[in-house]
Amino acid sequence: AQTVTQSQPEMSVQEAETVTLSCTYDTSENNYYLFWYKQPPSRQMILVIRQEAYKQQNATENRFSVNFQKAAKSFSLKISDSQLGDTAMYFCAFMNRRYGGSQGNLIFGKGTKLSVKP
Amino acid sequence: EAGVTQSPTHLIKTRGQQATLRCSPISGHTSVYWYQQALGLGLQFLLWYDEGEERNRGNFPPRFSGRQFPNYSSELNVNALELEDSALYLCASSLEGWSDTQYFGPGTRLTVL
Repeated sequence: AQTVTQSQPEMSVQEAETVTLSCTYDTSENNYYLFWYKQPPSRQMILVIRQEAYKQQNATENRFSVNFQKAAKSFSLKISDSQLGDTAMYFCAFMNRRYGGSQGNLIFGKGTKLSVKP
Repeated sequence: EAGVTQSPTHLIKTRGQQATLRCSPISGHTSVYWYQQALGLGLQFLLWYDEGEERNRGNFPPRFSGRQFPNYSSELNVNALELEDSALYLCASSLEGWSDTQYFGPGTRLTVL
């Protein structure tokens, strides 16, 4: 069974600074996606970034980038130039892409509550 | 392009009643997923529907059920409500089925008294 662990329940960062959120996962699969979602107080779950396991290049989306270490099963999210609107719960999630495996479900970590301070 | 929509926003029921939650996927998406986000339990997968069929379900009792309509919208039914069913229920949709990125709706907050 796959598991996702986020070891930082809460973090804070000053506006305009950089912060890194940690995520580790456990799987025996080779074909999978990893995601970061954010859930602001409005509770809408918003996709931040996606990483395909077979791609060595780390995914980036504007101020958001990941450090994907497949051998170490680590998937951290770096937020550069933090903005007040980045305040949210951040969830790391795993999706198995092997046909015949547990299908359709994202497996989420417990989340990291990020506060961006002015 | 409209995102995933869910209704109602809030739902208050008493123990033993039935609740029905609705979800409309992003236009063109055929897969719909349901998740429960309960306090202290995190996000847990409930159900996956694709092309009108239930394709997978999480570790939930049979009183959690649902269906998907020909227009790909979906409803989640929870029978014989229990206090611990109080949670945020999130619906997601994806374009190409089980191996594709899921996009979430705003959720329905169910409170069981």
